[in-house]
Amino acid sequence: NAGVTQTPKFQVLKTGQSMTLQCAQDMNHNSMYWYRQDPGMGLRLIYYSASEGTTDKGEVPNGYNVSRLNKREFSLRLESAAPSQTSVYFCASSEASYNTGELFFGEGSRLTVL
Amino acid sequence: AQSVSQHNHHVILSEAASLELGCNYSYGGTVNLFWYVQYPGQHLQLLLKYFSGDPLVKGIKGFEAEFIKSKFSFNLRKPSVQWSDTAEYFCAVSQHRDDKIIFGKGTRLHILP
Repeated sequence: NAGVTQTPKFQVLKTGQSMTLQCAQDMNHNSMYWYRQDPGMGLRLIYYSASEGTTDKGEVPNGYNVSRLNKREFSLRLESAAPSQTSVYFCASSEASYNTGELFFGEGSRLTVL
Repeated sequence: AQSVSQHNHHVILSEAASLELGCNYSYGGTVNLFWYVQYPGQHLQLLLKYFSGDPLVKGIKGFEAEFIKSKFSFNLRKPSVQWSDTAEYFCAVSQHRDDKIIFGKGTRLHILP
């Protein structure tokens, strides 16, 4: 049972390049999330999806787009990367539509923007 | 919008000392509350959660937390810490019937052997 799988685990980009972080879960969860983790800032919510076909902005959505491709997959896209987007990105999923369950996290994707 | 404040950024304790980590949230309605832990090199995992009922919640590894509605607080406690508790601890909140989960900035706990 893989849980939440993120790819790639590491990525280096130049300013202005684009890329997509992929996330897939095999737990049949309804809700999926993208967070970024920065030293001293904790985890900040970028976007989340309560169910297939819906997405909502979190605390720091600027510079990002998301796609809930199906129930399993939730991708995060950086259209024009900036050094401020250097971070560790975590995808997570949760069982219940109204978040009565815990979050299950992927192992993270470390992104460096030069 | 809801927010979460964790008062202690870095805590250093000796083994067997008692632990209390503060967490306050700002939202006047019904909330769900969580404490997560991140051990070095690992991703976050749930320690305990509160949805309703008994305000004293017990979690894994001997941790507990008390929800005090009047103080908008959900402090994490452990009577006697171990070296293996060295980790970063995050408080999180969501509004009732809402999938949006917001985390605090975390408290880095270092236990001296």
